[in-house]
Order: sequence, then structure tokens, then C-alpha cells
Amino acid sequence: NAGVMQNPRHLVRRRGQEARLRCSPMKGHSHVYWYRQLPEEGLKFMVYLQKENIIDESGMPKERFSAEFPKEGPSILRIQQVVRGDSAAYFCASSPQGNGNTGELFFGEGSRLTVL
Amino acid sequence: GESVGLHLPTLSVQEGDNSIINCAYSNSASDYFIWYKQESGKGPQFIIDIRSNMDKRQGQRVTVLLNKTVKHLSLQIAATQPGDSAVYFCADDYSGAGSYQLTFGKGTKLSVIP
Repeated sequence: NAGVMQNPRHLVRRRGQEARLRCSPMKGHSHVYWYRQLPEEGLKFMVYLQKENIIDESGMPKERFSAEFPKEGPSILRIQQVVRGDSAAYFCASSPQGNGNTGELFFGEGSRLTVL
Repeated sequence: GESVGLHLPTLSVQEGDNSIINCAYSNSASDYFIWYKQESGKGPQFIIDIRSNMDKRQGQRVTVLLNKTVKHLSLQIAATQPGDSAVYFCADDYSGAGSYQLTFGKGTKLSVIP
């Protein structure tokens, strides 16, 4: 059973370009979460999605960031017109259910975005 | 507001000794806590969790202690091994047990000296 798969693992963009990060949840998981980790910091919640639905995007910046989880295919975190402050590791996690008896989230290995 | 922080950013332990990693939280409404381990270049990995109606929970070589009075929890690792070297994060869920919106602390880096 493959874990949460993220790609690309490393992405370099120039200011003003777009970044697209992909996440395939674990098999059987229908809930996806995106977290951002700045260097030497803890992870910060961004968005929670189910198939074709955004459940909670309260942690997403109001502009330039968007996320989707289509019926088919991976979840995508999209950052438009990137700035240097967007440089971070972006982690995707999945769970078989949303609020349940455990908060255990299964994390991918992250996508590290560097904005030049 | 909610925040989770750690007392020490780094901890060095001799192999075979026990490790204790501490964490403080500020939101008294937090009722569910998790410890994660993050190895270099990898994503966080669940270690152990505890609910606020408990003060202690044990796993394999790990024990989590929760003191709600002072809003403090700790992770104890018995017989620390080189493979335990990683950054350890505590996280809390203040919005309800099992929620996804975890608040992570900044992490403690554990280095095991062989």
C-alpha cells in the first residue's frame, strides 16, 4: 500500500511564476490536507479537501493560493505569481475519514518550493 | 489564541539513555494531542496521541504525559537509539478530537550520540 505521494519533491520558480504541487492520497483515503512548513518551523494548516469539495480553507492565504481535489486525479495546490516568501516545504496528508476517532494524518514527504 | 511551543530547540542524548521532550500549549480548550517525528527530508510520522481525559499513555518505547493544570505535555523515549534522531513536534487539536486542523509547535531536534 503506497503512502501519500507528492510531486515534485523539489521545485524552483522565479518570482511571478506559477507553482503546482500534486498529491495522491493513500489508497482508500478520500480526505486530503495541505500544510506548509517554513524553515525551522512547525507545520501550519492550509486547507482540507474531499473529492470535489473544499471543506475548510481557513489556513489558505486569501490571494494567489488555490487547491482542488478533483473526482479523478491528484489533489493540486496551486500558487500563482509566487514570491520569495512562498519558499517552504508543502506537505500533503491524507486520512480515511475526516473528524474521527483519531487525528492521525498520514503525511507525504513534501514538496520543497524555492522561489528565486 | 492557540499556540504550541517547545521548551528546548535541541536535545542531545547518549544512546541507550532515556529522552524527554517537553511541550507547552496555551489553549485550555485543546483536548487532543499528538506527537510527530520528522526525519530530515521527510514528512512527519505519527508517534503517539493522547486525549485530555488521560494523563498518561504508553506505546512501544514511548510514553506521553499530559498535565492539563500547567498545560504541558512530554514525550519520553526509552532506551534511545540512533534511529530516534529526528525533529519531534507536538501538535494539538483545539477544535475537537480527531480534527484535521492541527496546530504544530516548532519542534525539538533530538540527536542521539552513539
